[in-house]
Amino acid sequence: NAGVTQTPKFRILKIGQSMTLQCTQDMNHNYMYWYRQDPGMGLKLIYYSVGAGITDKGEVPNGYNVSRSTTEDFPLRLELAAPSQTSVYFCASSRTDFEAFFGQGTRLTVV
Amino acid sequence: QQQVKQSPQSLIVQKGGISIINCAYENTAFDYFPWYQQFPGKGPALLIAIRPDVSEKKEGRFTISFNKSAKQFSLHIMDSQPGDSATYFCAAYNTDKLIFGTGTRLQVFP
Repeated sequence: NAGVTQTPKFRILKIGQSMTLQCTQDMNHNYMYWYRQDPGMGLKLIYYSVGAGITDKGEVPNGYNVSRSTTEDFPLRLELAAPSQTSVYFCASSRTDFEAFFGQGTRLTVV
Repeated sequence: QQQVKQSPQSLIVQKGGISIINCAYENTAFDYFPWYQQFPGKGPALLIAIRPDVSEKKEGRFTISFNKSAKQFSLHIMDSQPGDSATYFCAAYNTDKLIFGTGTRLQVFP
């Protein structure tokens, strides 16, 4: 049972480039989340989804987009990458409001 | 207000001591309060959680104390061990959103 899988694990982007962070879960969870983690700032919610076809903004959505076409997948799109988007990104899923399972994270550097 | 305030930012405890981490919230609509533990290079993992209808929950060496009137909750780690060294996050849940505190880096020295 793989749980929540994120790819890639590391990525370096140039300013202005775009990329998609992939997230897939095999637990049939309805809820999925994207967070970014910056030192001393905790985890900030970027976007979340309560089911296929439904997405909503979190605390820090600017500069990001998401889609949820299937229960399993919740990709995060960065358009026109900026240095301020340098961070560690975590995807998580949960059945309801109970235990959220996190992926291993994607460390992104924008230079 | 969706904020969850956490303190201290870092904590150093000797082996066998008690580690205490505090959190406070403003939004009374929060209805689920989990604590997550994160080791370096890993994603956070659920440690223990509480609902606001109880004042305390204990699981092994870990206890959550919850004060609904003060809108505060805390994590107590009894008999702290070097293996407990990690970053701890409190969180609060409301209407499909799980909001995290800023984290506490705990170091337990032998």
